[in-house]
Amino acid sequence: AQRVTQPEKLLSVFKGAPVELKCNYSYSGSPELFWYVQYSRQRLQLLLRHISRESIKGFTADLNKGETSFHLKKPFAQEEDSAMYYCALSDDTDKLIFGTGTRLQVFP
Amino acid sequence: GAGVSQTPSNKVTEKGKYVELRCDPISGHTALYWYRQSLGQGPEFLIYFQGTGAADDSGLPNDRFFAVRPEGSVSTLKIQRTERGDSAVYLCASSHSIMGGDTGELFFGEGSRLTVL
Repeated sequence: AQRVTQPEKLLSVFKGAPVELKCNYSYSGSPELFWYVQYSRQRLQLLLRHISRESIKGFTADLNKGETSFHLKKPFAQEEDSAMYYCALSDDTDKLIFGTGTRLQVFP
Repeated sequence: GAGVSQTPSNKVTEKGKYVELRCDPISGHTALYWYRQSLGQGPEFLIYFQGTGAADDSGLPNDRFFAVRPEGSVSTLKIQRTERGDSAVYLCASSHSIMGGDTGELFFGEGSRLTVL
């Protein structure tokens, strides 16, 4: 069965430190991977998707099929990056399967 | 409206009662999704519609849960004989195309928080 695993419930860093939010998946087909973000008192929204291969708000994520990972990275964290981050996988039935999420706290 | 609208934002009910949650998607979006999010968990897929028909309802936990989208726009999630374990935030999302398309971005509502006493 398809599964998305985010091993860290909470990640705390200081402003300016590098950030890596881990995501691993299990899926037998060719996956589409996404990162969604939920800022405080806002609705869940798309941050980036692997097919776009773009950087959003300084974040990047590379799909590693060998390690079945899609880790989210940012070289220098900002306080406004504090939020809940969800990794998600789109399978061949056109639904998104979400991980349990990681709360990122960036301290000043 | 500018985004996905869900009503009510909060619903408190007693065990055994019937509940309806409404979702008004972004105009023109053909795909509509329902998710459930319990405390400390990620969104859990329930059902999705492509137009008026339920394309995938494999996430509905049991036959107490049912959803409709009669005119291909507004959708209602219906829960019969509610149980305390049904307490969660119910999220609705819409998309311009199915996930396999070029966009595939889901636009979420703010959710309906259901509390079953």
